[in-house]
Amino acid sequence: GEDVEQSLFLSVREGDSSVINCTYTDSSSTYLYWYKQEPGAGLQLLTYIFSNMDMKQDQRLTVLLNKKDKHLSLRIADTQTGDSAIYFCASSRNNNDMRFGAGTRLTVKP
Amino acid sequence: DADVTQTPRNRITKTGKRIMLECSQTKGHDRMYWYRQDPGLGLQLIYYSFDVKDINKGEISDGYSVSRQAQAKFSLSLESAIPNQTALYFCATQGRSQETQYFGPGTRLLVL
Repeated sequence: GEDVEQSLFLSVREGDSSVINCTYTDSSSTYLYWYKQEPGAGLQLLTYIFSNMDMKQDQRLTVLLNKKDKHLSLRIADTQTGDSAIYFCASSRNNNDMRFGAGTRLTVKP
Repeated sequence: DADVTQTPRNRITKTGKRIMLECSQTKGHDRMYWYRQDPGLGLQLIYYSFDVKDINKGEISDGYSVSRQAQAKFSLSLESAIPNQTALYFCATQGRSQETQYFGPGTRLLVL
């Protein structure tokens, strides 16, 4: 199976919370990342979490890590139309060998 | 100015042609990477370089070659382009002690 898996699409209403989920297979992953890709642009790092943490919060973003289940999630509070983009989950082992999911396209409806 | 730049941003070429995609960075990073992005497949690593004298194959290096001309420059070549190399290509850089990679804006390549 794929190293990093995530659902391809998510649609929410403006003002609601969005939760994007990701699973990974490499139990030796030391860093887990969330990147955002807007149309016509490269990937922009949103946040990352070290594998010995279970939660990280940064303004509207909350990352939850369940290391036992190898499950990562990104919660965006009060989702805005500007949050519409593709969100990539990625894992790496000691900063090397970064593996990306296929990306989740988030659509925010007014 | 952008820290990681890619040229060209868009390119159309024909099957069998040789083309080169360029990447330059002003971040002073040792590590540079080339990825391709296909719809529904995420990013796949083509080649990576940890310094000027170090070149390594990634997951999908067949049909590609690279050159690390200087710390700041890493170019990707398609020796004989084929249609299934139509994709979005990203260059990325990473500092030796940094946790993440920084991406360029991408080059959209169409092989007819």
